[in-house]
Amino acid sequence: QSVLTQPPSVSGAPGQRVTISCTGSSSNIGAGYYVHWYQQLPGTAPKLLIYGNSNRPSGVPDRFSGSKSGTSASLAITGLQAEDEADYYCQSYDSSLSGWVFGGGTKLTVL
Amino acid sequence: EVQLVESGGGLVQPGRSLRLSCAASGFSFDDYAMHWVRQAPGKGLEWVSGINYNSGNIGYADSVKGRFTISRDNAKNSLYLQMNSLRAEDMALYYCAKGEQQWLINYFDYWGQGTLVTVSS
Repeated sequence: QSVLTQPPSVSGAPGQRVTISCTGSSSNIGAGYYVHWYQQLPGTAPKLLIYGNSNRPSGVPDRFSGSKSGTSASLAITGLQAEDEADYYCQSYDSSLSGWVFGGGTKLTVL
Repeated sequence: EVQLVESGGGLVQPGRSLRLSCAASGFSFDDYAMHWVRQAPGKGLEWVSGINYNSGNIGYADSVKGRFTISRDNAKNSLYLQMNSLRAEDMALYYCAKGEQQWLINYFDYWGQGTLVTVSS
């Protein structure tokens, strides 16, 4: 059971918009700690997608965006492409655990 | 170009020890926190341990606290993870990941390719 809760899977057709939620609590997201997002393509290491709730590292397309409200955060992907098919993870800091926590991951399928 | 290269993984019996290493290059190693993150086969990501730039702040996941020890050698641009009393549930791909300068704002902007730890008799 992960501290941050994500849906196990989401899907969408090419060109569509999908969102992935990440629900935490008052000791992590709700406490004001930043949320970060990672993309893991099959057989590869994770890649930073969004940092500091809504910032994109250089090279990440603006089709990817992040937001945060209260004890939750969301990753939105617009103009879905086949190459977006991957696992996505949210991550934050938890003050009760004194450490960093990940969501359980969401598998995105492009139909 | 930032590079993180892990080594030291392998097959080990339950209860034994293993030491992982991560060689870093392409950035000012002694300015940044570093972390170990693991991924069991077919499972999600789990943060294992982190250490700040001067080893003044260190953290562990509850699942490894008291058994694993993280350390770094800034002169050698290297990160280490000493793993003792290994259990079957420690079997995973262990990633070395670069953190940030501010301890509580850490995210992992570069990752190695991982080193596989297999715990089995």
